[in-house]
Amino acid sequence: KAGVTQTPRYLIKTRGQQVTLSCSPISGHRSVSWYQQTPGQGLQFLFEYFSETQRNKGNFPGRFSGRQFSNSRSEMNVSTLELGDSALYLCASSLGQAISGNTIYFGEGSWLTVV
Amino acid sequence: QQQVKQSPQSLIVQKGGISIINCAYENTAFDYFPWYQQFPGKGPALLIAIRPDVSEKKEGRFTISFNKSAKQFSLHIMDSQPGDSATYFCAASGYTGNQFYFGTGTSLTVIP
Repeated sequence: KAGVTQTPRYLIKTRGQQVTLSCSPISGHRSVSWYQQTPGQGLQFLFEYFSETQRNKGNFPGRFSGRQFSNSRSEMNVSTLELGDSALYLCASSLGQAISGNTIYFGEGSWLTVV
Repeated sequence: QQQVKQSPQSLIVQKGGISIINCAYENTAFDYFPWYQQFPGKGPALLIAIRPDVSEKKEGRFTISFNKSAKQFSLHIMDSQPGDSATYFCAASGYTGNQFYFGTGTSLTVIP
């Protein structure tokens, strides 16, 4: 079965621009989470959506936003890009809560470079 | 503020040896502790996970030891192989849903 698919895989943006990243979860998965991965900060939680509702939100500024569609596909948007937003953005999906025994599957990520 | 502290940052082990990675947390609300393995260019993949009601969990060559009173947990990789060379992350969760706090990662190199 297909894994978590993220597009685009690589992109370069200019400071001040905005970017939209897309994530297609594994078929049947309703939970989609987003993480930012950088060498200095590691993996940091951005937000989680479940059945189109934001269930959890990390400690990121309002420039970072997301949404989930009825088919569970998710997008995240970063507006007014800053150099510090350069990172690998990872999407993860699962059937339900990990604590209940559901495995979380990560995509390969979208590499964003802000110049 | 790093909610989960991980050490060491890097680790070099001989083939066949034991790799040990440690993590510590402060938030007593955390009740699920997974370990992830990440290869270059790939997303993290779940290795093994534990809940605080058990002190140890073993899956193949991978073992998690959990010390609830000390708020520490560790990953032991027995009979380490070159194919185990990767970055390992511990994580913790304690809220509704799938919000995880990750450690900063340990780069493991297993020398043949």
